[in-house]
Parts: sequence; structure tokens; C-alpha cells
Amino acid sequence: GENVEQHPSTLSVQEGDSAVIKCTYSDSASNYFPWYKQELGKGPQLIIDIRSNVGEKKDQRIAVTLNKTAKHFSLHITETQPEDSAVYFCAASSGGYQKVTFGTGTKLQVIP
Amino acid sequence: DGGITQSPKYLFRKEGQNVTLSCEQNLNHDAMYWYRQDPGQGLRLIYYSQIVNDFQKGDIAEGYSVSREKKESFPLTVTSAQKNPTAFYLCASIAGTRGVYGYTFGSGTRLTVV
Repeated sequence: GENVEQHPSTLSVQEGDSAVIKCTYSDSASNYFPWYKQELGKGPQLIIDIRSNVGEKKDQRIAVTLNKTAKHFSLHITETQPEDSAVYFCAASSGGYQKVTFGTGTKLQVIP
Repeated sequence: DGGITQSPKYLFRKEGQNVTLSCEQNLNHDAMYWYRQDPGQGLRLIYYSQIVNDFQKGDIAEGYSVSREKKESFPLTVTSAQKNPTAFYLCASIAGTRGVYGYTFGSGTRLTVV
């Protein structure tokens, strides 16, 4: 089955700096890679996703890159703000109703 | 507004009791999922259902049961056979089979064994 590894487990950055979270996956059949943000006591929310036919996707301060050959993908947050503080999960799936495999999460702390 | 409603937000269970967690969605999504979240760990799949009256076991189904009698509802029962039920439980749904889509999650139920 799919295995998703996520690093780092915790990340502290100064407000305004950039944050990068990295994930690797094992199943070459995976073709969909979402990222979720989970605030304390709440359910995760989808913040950005990328499909295997593209290498990069941006949405304002958030970007995701995908390297299919190396089987890794990364989340980049620029100009971080205190409200970016949360736990971020990467995930991988092969589409449709197929089971989504999650990484173990990264707790991001943005220091004002 | 469309979304997923989980209730209750907090639930306390005595050892040996069964408890049922509610999950209702008004998104007209076909597939629904239950995940368990423990501190410092990722989300682990308990059960999922693609259509009414059908469901499949996930990675950690032992000690849990589900039903899918209506498209909108996917309740999870935590039975007394679940040895360590204290956790945060998340319900999710996903749109149709064409292409790939991210989950919509509920706000979760925190279950504590007392």
C-alpha cells in the first residue's frame, strides 16, 4: 500500500519568513496530492492540491511542487502570518474513491 | 450552507459501553469516510462507504461498526471491543468519481473513556 512520510514534524518560523514542508510517497500510481490545514479542535480543511500532470501550483501565498520521478512533493508558504499557525497534513491517493493516505502532520508555529 | 455536521462535539464513554457518533452531510456527496486521529499521528481510516447500503473496512476497523442507510448519514458506533477508543474522530465526504477531489471534513468528535 501507499506510504507517505512528512517532514519536519514541527516547524517554527518568524512572521514574514517562508515555511517549507516536504512529503514523500511510495506508490507510483498515486496521482492526486492534497494538502490540509487543521486548526486546534477543528477538522482539516483542504488548502491546495496538485495532480500528477502538473509540477507546480500556486494560490496567493501558498504553492505546492511535485516531483514525480523522485516521488516527493512540498508545500511552500511565503510571508507567513500568525494565522498560518496550525497542523498541516500532506496526502496522496490514486483518485476516485480510492483511499487517501495521510502524512503524520507538521505543526507550524509562526512567531510574531 | 453545505457541509458536514458531526455530533456531539465531546463524548464521554464508560468502559464496556457502546457509543454512536453522528455524521450528516448536505453536500450530496456519494462517498463518506471515518478517520481516527491520535496526538502526533496522521489520520487513520476506520470505514468508508461509496454508496448507500454498502461500506468497506479501512485500516483500523476492529471494534467499530457503521451503517449507511441514507446518502446523507454515516454513523459510527464505537463498541466495547475497541480497546483504546479515546481519540478525535473525523467524518469526511468526497464528491463523485470523475477526477479526483479533496475531502470535506466535519469538525470532529472528541471521545474520552472515563
